[in-house]
Amino acid sequence: NAGVTQTPKFQVLKTGQSMTLQCAQDMNHEYMSWYRQDPGMGLRLIHYSVGAGITDQGEVPNGYNVSRSTTEDFPLRLLSAAPSQTSVYFCASSRTDGSYEQYFGPGTRLTVT
Amino acid sequence: GENVEQHPSTLSVQEGDSAVIKCTYSDSASNYFPWYKQELGKRPQLIIDIRSNVGEKKDQRIAVTLNKTAKHFSLHITETQPEDSAVYFCAARANQFYFGTGTSLTVIP
Repeated sequence: NAGVTQTPKFQVLKTGQSMTLQCAQDMNHEYMSWYRQDPGMGLRLIHYSVGAGITDQGEVPNGYNVSRSTTEDFPLRLLSAAPSQTSVYFCASSRTDGSYEQYFGPGTRLTVT
Repeated sequence: GENVEQHPSTLSVQEGDSAVIKCTYSDSASNYFPWYKQELGKRPQLIIDIRSNVGEKKDQRIAVTLNKTAKHFSLHITETQPEDSAVYFCAARANQFYFGTGTSLTVIP
């Protein structure tokens, strides 16, 4: 099993550009989520999904879109990048049947200039 | 929504001493409380977790305690070693996960 994979590892964007961060898992997990990690602020939930076709907002959803067309994939779209979105982004997945352990991807370091 | 507070933000201990990190939560519906260790530049890794129907759980040098009435839970690391140096995060799960702001633990050889 590859677990949770994320691409790209690093990305530099100019203000106003758009891009998609990719996340995939091969563990057949229903629950997938995106977090951003900023210094001194822990991990903050952006969006999450409890299954294909179902998404919901987390704590900091503004400026981001998600979709979940398959169980495996959960891409995060930045519509118009802003310097405030400079951060490290982690994707995670888990089961929803009582085994809640989250598995994290390796992260994407995004810089917006 | 849930609010998870974590203390202290930094902690230094001598090798061999114990370290304790404390978290509080606000949502009584939270039923799962994991602890993660994150080394510099790496992803968070689960080190121990506890469910709301259990008061204490231990795994070798690591233990977690949960007080549902007071809505707080703690991580205890005994016989600390330099490789325990990292940032530790607590979290609480109701229908989604909420994380504490992290504790940077330094173990001094």
